[in-house]
Amino acid sequence: DVKVTQSSRYLVKRTGEKVFLECVQDMDHENMFWYRQDPGLGLRLIYFSYDVKMKEKGDIPEGYSVSREKKERFSLILESASTNQTSMYLCASSPGRTNGYTFGSGTRLTVV
Amino acid sequence: QKEVEQDPGPLSVPEGAIVSLNCTYSNSAFQYFMWYRQYSRKGPELLMYTYSSGNKEDGRFTAQVDKSSKYISLFIRDSQPSDSATYLCAMMRSGGSNYKLTFGKGTLLTVNP
Repeated sequence: DVKVTQSSRYLVKRTGEKVFLECVQDMDHENMFWYRQDPGLGLRLIYFSYDVKMKEKGDIPEGYSVSREKKERFSLILESASTNQTSMYLCASSPGRTNGYTFGSGTRLTVV
Repeated sequence: QKEVEQDPGPLSVPEGAIVSLNCTYSNSAFQYFMWYRQYSRKGPELLMYTYSSGNKEDGRFTAQVDKSSKYISLFIRDSQPSDSATYLCAMMRSGGSNYKLTFGKGTLLTVNP
C-alpha cells in the first residue's frame, strides 16, 4: 500500500514561530500536495510540486513556502506562524497526471 | 458560481438505507471524477474513480456521472454504521495542470444502527 506519512499528528506552536511540517511518501510518486482543511471551507490547496525542486502555488499560498529537495519528501513551512493558520494540514501524493491522491493522516496545528 | 457544489448535510439515515450523495459543477473541462471518504480525524481516502460519463460499481458503492447535467452521484446500498464519515467529491480537468483536483466541501453522513 502507498503510504503518505506526516511527521506529527498534533502540533502547538507560538505566534511568530517558524514551523516545519514534513511529509514523506514511499511509492515514488511524482506529484505532492499540501492542503489545509477548515470547517465550512473544505480542502484548500496551498502548494503543490510535480517534480523535485519544482513547486507551484495553489489557491492560498500566502504565509507559506515549500521545499522538495528529494522526490519522496515535501515540506511545508510557515514562515511566521499566525493564529489564522490554526488548521488541519493534509499532505497528498499522486503518481501521474490523472490519478487520484493518497493522503496522509493530517497534522492538527494550533497556533497560540 | 463555485466550481464544485456539494450539500454539506448532515445526512442521517438508518442502517440498511440507500444513501445518495451528490455534487454539481460548473466547469465543462472536468473529465475525471472521484469520491473520497474521510473518517473523523483521518485523511481522505479514495473510494471511487470515474472517467467521463457513465456508471461505476464497486460492491455496495455506485458512482454516476452525468456530464450533460454537470452532476455526479455516489450511491451506497445497504448502508452500515461503518459508512459514517464525510464524503468528498473531487474533479480534475483534462489537459493543462490536470493533476490538480478540485474538491467539494464534503457531506457528513451518519448511519444509525
